[in-house]
Amino acid sequence: GEDVEQSLFLSVREGDSSVINCTYTDSSSTYLYWYKQEPGAGLQLLTYIFSNMDMKQDQRLTVLLNKKDKHLSLRIADTQTGDSAIYFCAGEMDSSYKLIFGSGTRLLVRP
Amino acid sequence: NAGVMQNPRHLVRRRGQEARLRCSPMKGHSHVYWYRQLPEEGLKFMVYLQKENIIDESGMPKERFSAEFPKEGPSILRIQQVVRGDSAAYFCASSPPTSQETQYFGPGTRLLVL
Repeated sequence: GEDVEQSLFLSVREGDSSVINCTYTDSSSTYLYWYKQEPGAGLQLLTYIFSNMDMKQDQRLTVLLNKKDKHLSLRIADTQTGDSAIYFCAGEMDSSYKLIFGSGTRLLVRP
Repeated sequence: NAGVMQNPRHLVRRRGQEARLRCSPMKGHSHVYWYRQLPEEGLKFMVYLQKENIIDESGMPKERFSAEFPKEGPSILRIQQVVRGDSAAYFCASSPPTSQETQYFGPGTRLLVL
């Protein structure tokens, strides 16, 4: 079955760019997703990318997808302290409604 | 437009008691999904429901767990005879009928079993 892996922790200085990486095993996902979770809160859908695309940009967010290497990344430009949260990548497990999540990357933004 | 609503936000139960978690999907959404998040882990799919139908419950434990989404009212995730290992955050998500891919999550119910 699908497996999604992420690094556990990332620390950046305010104003720098953050790059959060994710690898997955099953290439059948139609979409791949990035969610943000703030402490004690639910998951906020940040962005998603169709598997036919290599890149998607949305304001400060850039998603890169390398299907050959099964690698997904989320770049946050000009990272702010409000970006401190846990970021989850997710793919689809054998059907489009069954999301499978990585264990999350905790992003800490230092002033 | 209210988002996905879950209540209670926090629930404390003693071993052996029942836990009932409620989820009201976003307006216009007819698909509901339940996920469980154990500490320091990602979310794990439990069940997918439409109104009055369980579509996929492959992620649900075989015993003690049940889910429903009645014609009227919220979706309910019910855990009978809770054990300490049930302590987790339970998230509900919903999606519109035309776009299963876009799931919007509620704030979660954090269940603590003493």
